[in-house]
Amino acid sequence: AQTVTQSQPEMSVQEAETVTLSCTYDTSESNYYLFWYKQPPSRQMILVIRQEAYKQQNATENRFSVNFQKAAKSFSLKISDSQLGDTAMYFCAFMKPFNFGNEKLTFGTGTRLTIIP
Amino acid sequence: GAVVSQHPSWVICKSGTSVKIECRSLDFQATTMFWYRQFPKQSLMLMATSNEGSKATYEQGVEKDKFLINHASLTLSTLTVTSAHPEDSSFYICSASEPGGATDTQYFGPGTRLTVL
Repeated sequence: AQTVTQSQPEMSVQEAETVTLSCTYDTSESNYYLFWYKQPPSRQMILVIRQEAYKQQNATENRFSVNFQKAAKSFSLKISDSQLGDTAMYFCAFMKPFNFGNEKLTFGTGTRLTIIP
Repeated sequence: GAVVSQHPSWVICKSGTSVKIECRSLDFQATTMFWYRQFPKQSLMLMATSNEGSKATYEQGVEKDKFLINHASLTLSTLTVTSAHPEDSSFYICSASEPGGATDTQYFGPGTRLTVL
């Protein structure tokens, strides 16, 4: 079974600064997908970024980028120029490859990020 | 982008009654939908995987007779909490996978807060 670990329960950073959220995972699969989801106070889960394990290039989405280290099984999220709207719970998630529609997500315990004005 | 809706967003019911929560994919057909439960300040716990036209697959420890799931069409899945009790009070979230394209990305509904008195 896969496990996802987020070792930082809470973090805070000043607005406009850069912050990195950590995530490690354990799997015996060689191909898989990794995600970061954001859950703001509204509790709507929002996809932040997605990484395919077979791709060596780190995914980026505007101010969000990942550092994917496959050998180390590490998948950290960097938020640059942080904004007040980035305040949310962030979940790292793992998914095995497509399996006839049964693609389960395994979530970490989350990191609560607060952006300080 | 792919949009998933849930209805109702908030429901209060008396102990012993049944409550139905709807999950709809608005702009795509979802062959697979997932139901999660989230307790305050905790991560998402997968309850079951719902495939259109077939029986749902429940996670270990989830009572299938208590949490009835029906996926009657490619755009609608329902979760019925039968004979609800206060311990069933929680935040329920659905997600849907979009076949083809970004097949391995799940899009989440806004959640339903259930309070059982």
